[in-house]
Amino acid sequence: DTEVTQTPKHLVMGMTNKKSLKCEQHMGHRAMYWYKQKAKKPPELMFVYSYEKLSINESVPSRFSPECPNSSLLNLHLHALQPEDSALYLCASSQDRGTYQPQHFGDGTRLSIL
Amino acid sequence: KQEVTQIPAALSVPEGENLVLNCSFTDSAIYNLQWFRQDPGKGLTSLLLIQSSQREQTSGRLNASLDKSSGRSTLYIAASQPGDSATYLCAVRRVLATSGTYKYIFGTGTRLKVLA
Repeated sequence: DTEVTQTPKHLVMGMTNKKSLKCEQHMGHRAMYWYKQKAKKPPELMFVYSYEKLSINESVPSRFSPECPNSSLLNLHLHALQPEDSALYLCASSQDRGTYQPQHFGDGTRLSIL
Repeated sequence: KQEVTQIPAALSVPEGENLVLNCSFTDSAIYNLQWFRQDPGKGLTSLLLIQSSQREQTSGRLNASLDKSSGRSTLYIAASQPGDSATYLCAVRRVLATSGTYKYIFGTGTRLKVLA
């Protein structure tokens, strides 16, 4: 069982909808990540939060809006998405920056945009 | 810009074979390298983490080596089993000088199929 929990597992939405993806971990990790993964491609980093503050935004379109309400929770708010945004969205966490600790991944949310 | 490539892209072997997966990176200024496996439609499972100061790590039938100076890592799988069938990804960890935070850059992956 993964220690990083993502909900929902699957999401189908229209281009005008607003939805949110949720990620939760209770390992005391202070760094959390969002990745986007297209089929048969490696994960691509979207955002990094360190101590609940956004530290990396990989030039992600504004229709994706991350939020880190507390050290255990990471959200990704979605609005006016495009069909090309259909992908597996992965959340990960690790110990705070500067330490030699592995990343732990959730099982992802499979997102389909109609 | 750091680029991470994995060879081969796909591999099909009979059960019981020992095999080697390769990972190459262009910038040797890494903090560590992590190997993952990913089953279809699933998240990533961490297999091994090698610090930049280490040469290898072992876990069960898996052995990962790291040669920072040449920009290479290998994952050795002994006595392969059908349950090893998955995509294997390597990822290097680098620090961004401007912010002090770090990021992982993933390789292109190797899709492994072990035939019973």
